[in-house]
This record gives sequence, C-alpha cells and structure tokens, in this order.
Amino acid sequence: QLQLQESGPGLVKPSETLSLTCTVSGGSISSSTYYWGWIRQPPGKGLEWIGIIYYTGNTNYNPSLKSRVTISVDTSKNQFSLNLTSVTAADTAVYYCARAGLELGSYYFDYWGQGSLVTVSS
Amino acid sequence: SYELTQPPSVSVSPGQTARITCSGDALPKEYGYWYQQKPGQAPVLLIYKDRERPSGIPERFSGSSSGTTVTLTISGVQAEDEADYYCQSADITRTYPVVFGGGTKLTVL
Repeated sequence: QLQLQESGPGLVKPSETLSLTCTVSGGSISSSTYYWGWIRQPPGKGLEWIGIIYYTGNTNYNPSLKSRVTISVDTSKNQFSLNLTSVTAADTAVYYCARAGLELGSYYFDYWGQGSLVTVSS
Repeated sequence: SYELTQPPSVSVSPGQTARITCSGDALPKEYGYWYQQKPGQAPVLLIYKDRERPSGIPERFSGSSSGTTVTLTISGVQAEDEADYYCQSADITRTYPVVFGGGTKLTVL
C-alpha cells in the first residue's frame, strides 16, 4: 500500500523559506505512470494546488506561486521536496503531498499524505 | 485565473440522495474529479474522469457530466458522509492544470 509522509518544521518566520519533504513508501517515485504534487489548505479554507514534479525533475507550478516555489525530487531516497520562499502569514496552512495521475490536461491526486501544519509567525 | 463553482452547502436527510454540482467553462473538454474531506483528515479521491470510482469507494457515490457542469451524487446518504466535498479539474489553456472548486459542506440532518 502506497504511503506518503510529510516532514519539516512546523513553524517558519516571516520572510524565511518554508521547506518540506515528502517520503514515499510502498512504491517507487520513479514510476513512469505517476507524478508527485504539493497541495495546501489554509485553516478553515479550501484546497490550493502548489505544484507537480515528475521523477525526471520536470515541474509544473501554480502560476500564482511560481515565483516563490521550487519542487525537487531525490529518486535515491524516494523523496520529493517543496521550498517556498519569502513566506508571510498568508502561507500558514496544512501542506499535503500526494501522488498524481494525468488525464487530458488535468492532474488528479489518488494518494495523499496526512498533511503537515506549517505556521508562519515570528 | 480559472474558477470552478460549487454551492457552499448542501443539506440532506439520511437515506435521501444528495447532489453536489460543480460548474466551469472547461468542463466539456476536461475531466472532473471529486474528493471527500472529513475534519482533520486528508482528502480522499471519490470520483475520477467524471464518473469512474476508485477501488474501495462505495457504490453510493457516483459522478456525471453534462456541458459545463459535473455532478457528484450520493445515493442513500449516511451520517458518515457528512464532510466537505471538492471538485477539481483544469482550465482549457492548461495554464492551471489543477484547479479546485471552493468546496461544499454536506450536512446530514
């Protein structure tokens, strides 16, 4: 059974960089069929897509966050990571990693991590 | 940016049928997807490619598509179905290959 687990600091100071890692177990991140993504959810609000990466390193980012986001992959560790720079309180959210499929022009997420709450505060 | 529109809330009595709609201009050409999210939990994929159900999802959950609207139907609603439901798709230009609707809170009366 595929499992994803987010890890990283739960508290980040304003203007600093938020860094999270997602560890995949029960399956290979190097699968040619799937992609790997990050989604976030501010407290009490809806879901927001952050970005997607393929095991080759190809990425696709939400245009509204693109200038601040970097997603990378480490196939040797079966992990992928998120960096979000210059954070503000508006970046406070539960961050989810997930496995993604692609149909026509849309990705969709069939396995999700449990989520990691990141608070931006001094 | 592209938007998917859902009703903020839907209420239904146990055993009845709940229908949650999601509207977007690109839906005639892009698939719709549905997720269920219970408090404190990660979303769960309920429906993919408009109407397909992943293994392990009860048959009472079904999806359909007509024009610019996709619909999630929950037949014989149970108390455990009370949750937030999100639709998801992409914009026609694929500038936004992932767009989520605002979510619908399903209340089981």
